[in-house]
Amino acid sequence: DAGVIQSPRHEVTEMGQEVTLRCKPISGHDYLFWYRQTMMRGLELLIYFNNNVPIDDSGMPEDRFSAKMPNASFSTLKIQPSEPRDSAVYFCASSFLIENTGELFFGEGSRLTVL
Amino acid sequence: GQSLEQPSEVTAVEGAIVQINCTYQTSGFYGLSWYQQHDGGAPTFLSYNALDGLEETGRFSSFLSRSDSYGYLLLQELQMKDSASYFCAVGVYNTDKLIFGTGTRLQVFP
Repeated sequence: DAGVIQSPRHEVTEMGQEVTLRCKPISGHDYLFWYRQTMMRGLELLIYFNNNVPIDDSGMPEDRFSAKMPNASFSTLKIQPSEPRDSAVYFCASSFLIENTGELFFGEGSRLTVL
Repeated sequence: GQSLEQPSEVTAVEGAIVQINCTYQTSGFYGLSWYQQHDGGAPTFLSYNALDGLEETGRFSSFLSRSDSYGYLLLQELQMKDSASYFCAVGVYNTDKLIFGTGTRLQVFP
């Protein structure tokens, strides 16, 4: 398997623009997580899905952020409008039977810079 | 709520042994995981403790004591390539969330 695939790897945009980050989880995994990583706040859980259904979005910072998982092989994280404080690395991760394994498989991340 | 504390930085020399501690406050969890992250890279899974005690995986071992709200990652025979950040993470009970600690940056010197 190719692992978790994220795109774009790097995005530079201007404040106010819409940003869409994409993720393809590992086939057969039933959980998908979106994390954000910054120096100040570390790795923050934004939202996670189980079998394509959003389970907990309490980590989503505000209404400007939204996430969808229309099918088992694709998820998006959208920021509209973007702000400079959204600059971070956004990781997507997938897992199977996480309560038994404690193992997440991370994508390479999308580094977002909002000017 | 949950909080996991780790030392911010640890230094050691090649061939040495280093222990990275993780203390936590959580209402309940099903296990403690450890992840490694090199600069510019993604976190990668190292080990998982569902039960108290020691789990060994090659040069790396991980320990959990629920009664002490404490765990650690032990790295033996350190190599330069072990220079990275290390994160502990707990799986929150009755959810499937994995909450990460503050991270420890390990620098290995020749």
